[in-house]
Amino acid sequence: SAVISQKPSRDICQRGTSLTIQCQVDSQVTMMFWYRQQPGQSLTLIATANQGSEATYESGFVIDKFPISRPNLTFSTLTVSNMSPEDSSIYLCSVEEQGAEAFFGQGTRLTVV
Amino acid sequence: AQSVTQPDIHITVSEGASLELRCNYSYGATPYLFWYVQSPGQGLQLLLKYFSGDTLVQGIKGFEAEFKRSQSSFNLRKPSVHWSDAAEYFCAVSPPGGDYKLSFGAGTTVTVRA
Repeated sequence: SAVISQKPSRDICQRGTSLTIQCQVDSQVTMMFWYRQQPGQSLTLIATANQGSEATYESGFVIDKFPISRPNLTFSTLTVSNMSPEDSSIYLCSVEEQGAEAFFGQGTRLTVV
Repeated sequence: AQSVTQPDIHITVSEGASLELRCNYSYGATPYLFWYVQSPGQGLQLLLKYFSGDTLVQGIKGFEAEFKRSQSSFNLRKPSVHWSDAAEYFCAVSPPGGDYKLSFGAGTTVTVRA
């Protein structure tokens, strides 16, 4: 299975600032996704990171707030922009492998103060 | 739109006792079905998956799940729980043969008492 590394693992940020989260995979993967897990909640898909093109966002998520890059088949970044306390969540990178089996990184625990 | 329901928010079970976690889905066709576990401070780990075929699926850590089309259910079971099974369990679905995007249930927290 793919090994997924996320950086940072956690951060505390001031409101109004931005944080970029990195996701590195140890093998080339076609599909990469970003999820959000708000405190005590389940996971919600933010977007699909497309290699070489703009990400595909789910309802309720917009590019200005969550810009995503995917320069190659092993790397992606998610930026949380102009943060507010409501953005405090765990953000998880996921990749699809072996036919619709998704693997997840350890997540980035973000606290906005 | 698809939805996933986990009716039990929290389950407490004694060590050595059996465990069953419920999952129901609403979808136009039979989706791909998954169970994930999230231990405190950890990422998500896939326990098992169902795409097609045998409706009883074996997974890791002694877990199994049964797909019942008539009930739109995919319940997770373990015959004898261990203290290390205390965690959050998520049922998830994705479109069959499709875009691999996962929709998750709300999760069930399992507490294991000695």
